[in-house]
Amino acid sequence: GDSVTQMEGPVTLSEEAFLTINCTYTATGYPSLFWYVQYPGEGLQLLLKATKADDKGSNKGFEATYRKETTSFHLEKGSVQVSDSAVYFCALRRNTGGFKTIFGAGTRLFVKA
Amino acid sequence: GAVVSQHPSRVICKSGTSVKIECRSLDFQATTMFWYRQFPKQSLMLMATSNEGSKATYEQGVEKDKFLINHASLTLSTLTVTSAHPEDSSFYICSARFRAGGHNEQFFGPGTRLTVL
Repeated sequence: GDSVTQMEGPVTLSEEAFLTINCTYTATGYPSLFWYVQYPGEGLQLLLKATKADDKGSNKGFEATYRKETTSFHLEKGSVQVSDSAVYFCALRRNTGGFKTIFGAGTRLFVKA
Repeated sequence: GAVVSQHPSRVICKSGTSVKIECRSLDFQATTMFWYRQFPKQSLMLMATSNEGSKATYEQGVEKDKFLINHASLTLSTLTVTSAHPEDSSFYICSARFRAGGHNEQFFGPGTRLTVL
C-alpha cells in the first residue's frame, strides 16, 4: 500500500542554518505530495504542496521538489529561524479513490537562537 | 483559506463516560470529513472517513461501535468516543474536503485533546 517515510528526528539546528528533511514515498500512479507543519498544541497547517513530477512547492522560505525518479519530496530551507521549531509531516494523497491522505511519522525540528 | 473548527479543544472525562467532539467547516460545505488520531510524538492515523448522509467508512482496526461518527449536515461531523478509557486519551484531529471551482483541498481542524482519567 501507499506509504511515506521521512527522516527521524529530532533535528536540532542553530538559527540561520540550512535545513533538509528527507521524505520518500511509495505509491502507485502519481499522487499529490504535501508538507504540513504542526506547532506545539495545534493542528496541522499546510506548508506547501506539489501535484506532479518536477513541480516545486514553496512557502515561507521552504521548498520541496517532486522527484518522480527518486520518489522523493525533500523539504529544504536556506536559513531557519527559532519560529520554525515545530513538527513537519510529509504526506501523499492519491488523486483518485477516496481522497485519503497518508502521513509520514513526522520530524521534530528544534532551532536554537 | 477555508476554516475548520473543532469543539472542544480540550476535554477531561472520567473512565466509562462518553465524549462528543464536533468538527465544523465554517465557510464551506464539506461532503467528506476525516477523523484522525495522533498519539504523543507520533503521526496522524486515519480513523474513518465521514460522508454526509451516509455511514462512515472506518479504517481497519478501528472499532465503529466505540468511535461513533455522525455527519448530519454539510458543515458538521461529530465523533463520539463511547465508554471512554484511559487508552483512548489522545489528540483527535478532523479535516474536511473542500471542492469548488477546480480546487480539491483538505483543511484540518486545530485538534481536540482528550484525557480520560
